[in-house]
Amino acid sequence: NAGVTQTPKFQVLKTGQSMTLQCAQDMNHEYMSWYRQDPGMGLRLIHYSVGAGITDQGEVPNGYNVSRSTTEDFPLRLLSAAPSQTSVYFCASSYDGNSPLHFGNGTRLTVT
Amino acid sequence: ELKVEQNPLFLSMQEGKNYTIYCNYSTTSDRLYWYRQDPGKSLESLFVLLSNGAVKQEGRLMASLDTKARLSTLHITAAVHDLSATYFCAVDRANYGNNRLAFGKGNQVVVIP
Repeated sequence: NAGVTQTPKFQVLKTGQSMTLQCAQDMNHEYMSWYRQDPGMGLRLIHYSVGAGITDQGEVPNGYNVSRSTTEDFPLRLLSAAPSQTSVYFCASSYDGNSPLHFGNGTRLTVT
Repeated sequence: ELKVEQNPLFLSMQEGKNYTIYCNYSTTSDRLYWYRQDPGKSLESLFVLLSNGAVKQEGRLMASLDTKARLSTLHITAAVHDLSATYFCAVDRANYGNNRLAFGKGNQVVVIP
């Protein structure tokens, strides 16, 4: 049972480039979400999804897009990378609204 | 806007002693979560507290929730080195469940011999 799988683990982008962070879960969880973690800031919610075909914005959605075409996958797209998007990105899923989140291992992104 | 404050942000603990770390939040919520993060690693769930007065215990860790005071505590009994980590609390922002969690900045705990 793999849980929540994120790829890549590390990525370096130049300002203006675009890319997609991948997230897949094999637990049949309906809820999936993306967080970014910056030093001394805790985790901040970027986007989330309550099921296939449904997405919504979190606290810091600007510069990011998401889609949820299947229950398993929830990719995060950076449209035009900026240095302010340098961060560690975590994908998380949960069975329902009360269950604890299962986190992926994170993607460390650097934008130069 | 929901604010979640954890204190102390950094705590050096002596092995064998007891300590408490705190999580305060600013608006009504009936759900609070504690997570642990080891350096450079992901987060793992420790406790889910779903009602006023809830108390959960696992090994040397005990978490409690007082929704009237908007306060959760994480008590560490007889600290050991393996408990060195950053502990995050997360509060359900507006009864939306996991999709609207607000995280605190974390309590970084270092246990020294």
